[in-house]
Amino acid sequence: GDSVTQMEGPVTLSEEAFLTINCTYTATGYPSLFWYVQYPGEGLQLLLKATKADDKGSNKGFEATYRKETTSFHLEKGSVQVSDSAVYFCALSERGATNKLIFGTGTLLAVQP
Amino acid sequence: NAGVTQTPKFQVLKTGQSMTLQCAQDMNHEYMSWYRQDPGMGLRLIHYSVGAGITDQGEVPNGYNVSRSTTEDFPLRLLSAAPSQTSVYFCASSTGGHYGYTFGSGTRLTVV
Repeated sequence: GDSVTQMEGPVTLSEEAFLTINCTYTATGYPSLFWYVQYPGEGLQLLLKATKADDKGSNKGFEATYRKETTSFHLEKGSVQVSDSAVYFCALSERGATNKLIFGTGTLLAVQP
Repeated sequence: NAGVTQTPKFQVLKTGQSMTLQCAQDMNHEYMSWYRQDPGMGLRLIHYSVGAGITDQGEVPNGYNVSRSTTEDFPLRLLSAAPSQTSVYFCASSTGGHYGYTFGSGTRLTVV
């Protein structure tokens, strides 16, 4: 079945450092791809999305590009802040009747001042 | 709009007890899902629904039942709680396609 693999954490960075969190997927069709963020003690919030190959999703300085040739959707940010500390989940949504959302295991990001 | 509302926020059960986790959305979303979140395992899909009256099993359905009698509500029932069901449970809804899901704030369940 469809699956998502993302890099294990924790990822520890200093403030203003460059962030990359790797995400690859396996899917039989052409899924939509998402990054969700979970701040401590909270639920999940949609961070960004891309619905077709070469689309770039962006929000709050974060970016990710849908790469069909490498089946990847890596999350990047040029300069992280302490407030970006959270767990980041890569996910795919199956096209078609089920619309199931399938998650990776999550990556904890800790940004130090 | 309230979005996705889950109740209760916290619950402690004894092994063998039953309970229902409530989930309601006011966005007229057709798709709804239940997930459990465990350390190091991400979110795993328990059950999902593609519309009122239609439900199906996800990745980890054993020990859980669902029903979808209305578009708004999607309760999750634990028939006989076990310690392995200690987890944080999230309900989510979507209008479908590429819009993504909106999540509730979660229910933290402990089974002793």
